[in-house]
Amino acid sequence: QQQVKQSPQSLIVQKGGISIINCAYENTAFDYFPWYQQFPGKGPALLIAIRPDVSEKKEGRFTISFNKSAKQFSLHIMDSQPGDSATYFCAASIYTDKLIFGTGTRLQVFP
Amino acid sequence: EAEVAQSPRYKITEKSQAVAFWCDPISGHATLYWYRQILGQGPELLVQFQDESVVDDSQLPKDRFSAERLKGVDSTLKIQPAELGDSAMYLCASSFDRDSYEQYFGPGTRLTVT
Repeated sequence: QQQVKQSPQSLIVQKGGISIINCAYENTAFDYFPWYQQFPGKGPALLIAIRPDVSEKKEGRFTISFNKSAKQFSLHIMDSQPGDSATYFCAASIYTDKLIFGTGTRLQVFP
Repeated sequence: EAEVAQSPRYKITEKSQAVAFWCDPISGHATLYWYRQILGQGPELLVQFQDESVVDDSQLPKDRFSAERLKGVDSTLKIQPAELGDSAMYLCASSFDRDSYEQYFGPGTRLTVT
């Protein structure tokens, strides 16, 4: 019940395209859903996050869509750029307790 | 921009040796987390501190791992003795206080046990 399932494992997108990464959870007590971006050899960087009282949050080219009834949330990267090539992790937590991370999606954006 | 500092960035040690990692959270951040990230996986919490007190160490292998945050600022994570399976990235994160959701991660320490 503590798991967060993430898909796909890897994603290849052309420059200018839309990248979509999906996550699903079981524990309805989760109330915070962040996305992290991680470059090789670096720590995860907080990208965008959402609480379950809203269905969508947008920051620049990054959008989180949240479906509470389906217990799913997704990250959309609009106008994907080669600099977006990284591993993306979804996560969830109950209040400010530990983050439960997904397994990661390796995104490659080709020019 | 304030960042979480960690050292060393890389550590190679032999099996059965002791190893220690250091973390300095963002100034003013009261909550500190140590996570372990095995290659190809997401990070998993080892221990969470609120100021100098341990909030959650349920996933910390206490027979070989120890963590402390004596003055409620910087923190040290120790492994003794190190095992081959401990090879991983050790990440430190901090948040402003117990009611803050955002966790900010440091660059990590890459540990290789030979």
